[in-house]
Amino acid sequence: GAVVSQHPSWVICKSGTSVKIECRSLDFQATTMFWYRQFPKQSLMLMATSNEGSKATYEQGVEKDKFLINHASLTLSTLTVTSAHPEDSSFYICSATRLGDPAYEQYFGPGTRLTVT
Amino acid sequence: KQEVTQIPAALSVPEGENLVLNCSFTDSAIYNLQWFRQDPGKGLTSLLLIQSSQREQTSGRLNASLDKSSGRSTLYIAASQPGDSATYLCAVIRSNYKLTFGKGTLLTVNP
Repeated sequence: GAVVSQHPSWVICKSGTSVKIECRSLDFQATTMFWYRQFPKQSLMLMATSNEGSKATYEQGVEKDKFLINHASLTLSTLTVTSAHPEDSSFYICSATRLGDPAYEQYFGPGTRLTVT
Repeated sequence: KQEVTQIPAALSVPEGENLVLNCSFTDSAIYNLQWFRQDPGKGLTSLLLIQSSQREQTSGRLNASLDKSSGRSTLYIAASQPGDSATYLCAVIRSNYKLTFGKGTLLTVNP
């Protein structure tokens, strides 16, 4: 149990366009979903935290108008990178915590590789 | 601000060797600590989660310990195999349930 999927697994887009990444908890209801970004040979950096039906909370330095997060249900969160630029090229990973889990363990998706040309 | 440091940054060992990966954190007020494995270009696989009230967790050939007072955790891998080659990440969970990651240890197990 506790499987998280992401779609697409990789995407190439042109500079100036927008791209949407989906994160789904397949076999559990997620209290909270997190979005991370990982640059080559770097660790994961938390971008934002989202709860179903609420506005996302963004980490310092992350532009909320550029990285739009929607958490429409207990199993789905989306990250939209608006007006993408080459510097937005990165590996985006989501995670989710299971409703009712006292350990608040995060389960991670397989990641989405975004390349902006 | 919580900082997580992992030593060594890279480690290469022959197959069959036992090894220890180290993780230290600056703020001992943590909720939990997790060890993850990441293969190249892939997401994270959770290996072990240690709650703040626990001192260690074991899963198969893996054993993780936690010493909150000194801000340290270790991941022990017994009888290493080439399939264990990956990057191992340590992350601490703060009271606001956010994870802070170390930069990882790149492990290579040579056949």
